[in-house]
Amino acid sequence: GAVVSQHPSWVICKSGTSVKIECRSLDFQATTMFWYRQFPKQSLMLMATSNEGSKATYEQGVEKDKFLINHASLTLSTLTVTSAHPEDSSFYICSAFPHMNTEAFFGQGTRLTVV
Amino acid sequence: DAKTTQPPSMDCAEGRAANLPCNHSTISGNEYVYWYRQIHSQGPQYIIHGLKNNETNEMASLIITEDRKSSTLILPHATLRDTAVYYCIVRANTGNQFYFGTGTSLTVIP
Repeated sequence: GAVVSQHPSWVICKSGTSVKIECRSLDFQATTMFWYRQFPKQSLMLMATSNEGSKATYEQGVEKDKFLINHASLTLSTLTVTSAHPEDSSFYICSAFPHMNTEAFFGQGTRLTVV
Repeated sequence: DAKTTQPPSMDCAEGRAANLPCNHSTISGNEYVYWYRQIHSQGPQYIIHGLKNNETNEMASLIITEDRKSSTLILPHATLRDTAVYYCIVRANTGNQFYFGTGTSLTVIP
């Protein structure tokens, strides 16, 4: 199947700093990518839809100024957690579709720990 | 998108078939049923999907009832590596977002 890769796999940062997470589609182009957050023992929660060349669409309750999304090319979307706090510690996962109306492929996830 | 209901947890003996049920009684005619699984601390892995016919691939079989209000994912010969959380998701073919429910935590027992 198609490959979606995230980087880094894990990151530890100090409270108040910003962290950037990359999501790449390695063997296909994706005009749309999706970002999820998962807290321990909980399900994945969709945060936002990343659109190549335009603004991201955020789910209700997600702060767009805190979670900055940039989809600069057809193979790369980035999520920047700004002014991170310990409560932002979570597992962040991205996904993308090779074609419309097909299955989604997910990255391996990024474990963010804010200390 | 329609909501799904799954049992929170199930056990299965290694080598036996694992049958994971999913209820999606409010599914619409254009919504597909997708199954994913997530092994601890990894991204979800696609398993199978279908609209109304039963489907089979190298990983699993998907049985959808005639009224499409429920489905069952079958892992024919469960192994220890099948221990994971299994998510049943319904999604319209006109949209791309996947909204995850709570899933079923499957434990395969030696």
